[in-house]
Amino acid sequence: SSELTQDPAVSVALGQTVRITCQGDSLRRYYASWYQQKPGQAPILVIYGKNNRPSGIPDRFSGSRSGNTASLTITGAQAEDEADYYCSSRDNTARIFGGGTKLTVL
Amino acid sequence: LQLQESGPGLVRPSETLSLTCVVSGGSISSNSYSWGWIRQPPGKGLEWVGSISYGGSSYYNPSLKSRATMSVDTSKNQFSLRLSSVTAADTAVYYCARHDSGLPLSDYFDSWGQGTLVTVSS
Repeated sequence: SSELTQDPAVSVALGQTVRITCQGDSLRRYYASWYQQKPGQAPILVIYGKNNRPSGIPDRFSGSRSGNTASLTITGAQAEDEADYYCSSRDNTARIFGGGTKLTVL
Repeated sequence: LQLQESGPGLVRPSETLSLTCVVSGGSISSNSYSWGWIRQPPGKGLEWVGSISYGGSSYYNPSLKSRATMSVDTSKNQFSLRLSSVTAADTAVYYCARHDSGLPLSDYFDSWGQGTLVTVSS
């Protein structure tokens, strides 16, 4: 089965732009979805499909894909964006998650 | 839409873990959605356990080696997970979620329960 690989940790200065990446063979075929998880809370969906945001997700969150790499971009990161971020995709009949990226907003 | 997990917080090794997710604010009997379980061991990442349609078609994480079984009760608007022969490695927060699997190249979990911690210990 495929795997999704994420950098364990990324940091960004307040108000700057950060890109969180996710690599895996399944991403050549399937779009990634992205989840934000804050300590002690359930994950929430922030990006799905080609580049879709659920209702209530700020437009500073965007998604893209190139080859086997999906990216989540936060344009103008805010303090409240500090969280763990997980990518996920379909892999034939299974669903897989990346290991997660801890985002620190400095 | 709200989802709420329930079940024992402690399960003995080699026994069967049983959890239920009650769905409110929407019908579980929707052609557009499946319903899934995702777990997260303490301090670790997310792992998909399995998903089921309201009609009962289910699919599971191959790594669970046929230990997982899911079912749906449309009369109670709920779905359930049973995981047999548990070990300490099954200790995790278990989340239930709505699984939008309608698009061929994109699917996602768009509503999640708050999660319930299940500890496997004697």
